[in-house]
Amino acid sequence: NAGVTQTPKFRVLKTGQSMTLLCAQDMNHEYMYWYRQDPGMGLRLIHYSVGEGTTAKGEVPDGYNVSRLKKQNFLLGLESAAPSQTSVYFCASSYLFEAFFGQGTRLTVV
Amino acid sequence: RKEVEQDPGPFNVPEGATVAFNCTYSNSASQSFFWYRQDCRKEPKLLMSVYSSGNEDGRFTAQLNRASQYISLLIRDSKLSDSATYLCVVNKGGGGGGSQGNLIFGKGTKLSVKP
Repeated sequence: NAGVTQTPKFRVLKTGQSMTLLCAQDMNHEYMYWYRQDPGMGLRLIHYSVGEGTTAKGEVPDGYNVSRLKKQNFLLGLESAAPSQTSVYFCASSYLFEAFFGQGTRLTVV
Repeated sequence: RKEVEQDPGPFNVPEGATVAFNCTYSNSASQSFFWYRQDCRKEPKLLMSVYSSGNEDGRFTAQLNRASQYISLLIRDSKLSDSATYLCVVNKGGGGGGSQGNLIFGKGTKLSVKP
């Protein structure tokens, strides 16, 4: 039972490049989330989904897009990366209220 | 007022000490409350849920005061292995659907337990 798996774990992008972060969960959870964590800022919600085919904006959605085509997958896209998007990204899924997190993706935009 | 506020920390305590973390939340419609633990460079993991009646799990005690919109976590007899960042988490509340699962995290309080 893998839980929540994020890929990739590390990535370096140049400004303006695009990329997609993949989150997969095998717990049949309805809710999935993308957070970013920056020093001194805590975890901030980017986008979330309450079920297959649905997405909603969180606290800091600008510059990101998401898709939830399959219940088990939640994709986070950066269309044109900026240095301000350098961060650690965590995906999570939840049943009711307890959230289970992936191991994180460390993204650096240069 | 920020949605979830915690003691800024860091807390540096000797082994065996008792340490308390406090947290306040702004949304009176919030219904679920948690403490998560995050080790350095790792993902957050649920430590315990917080119930209105208060709850205890070994050396850890969590309390909720809805009237004051205040949550606390008490750690007794601190161990070296308790060193981590403790995150106060509140659901956004305010209605059905996505708000129920929309968790708001505090910035966390770092605890360092020294020998």
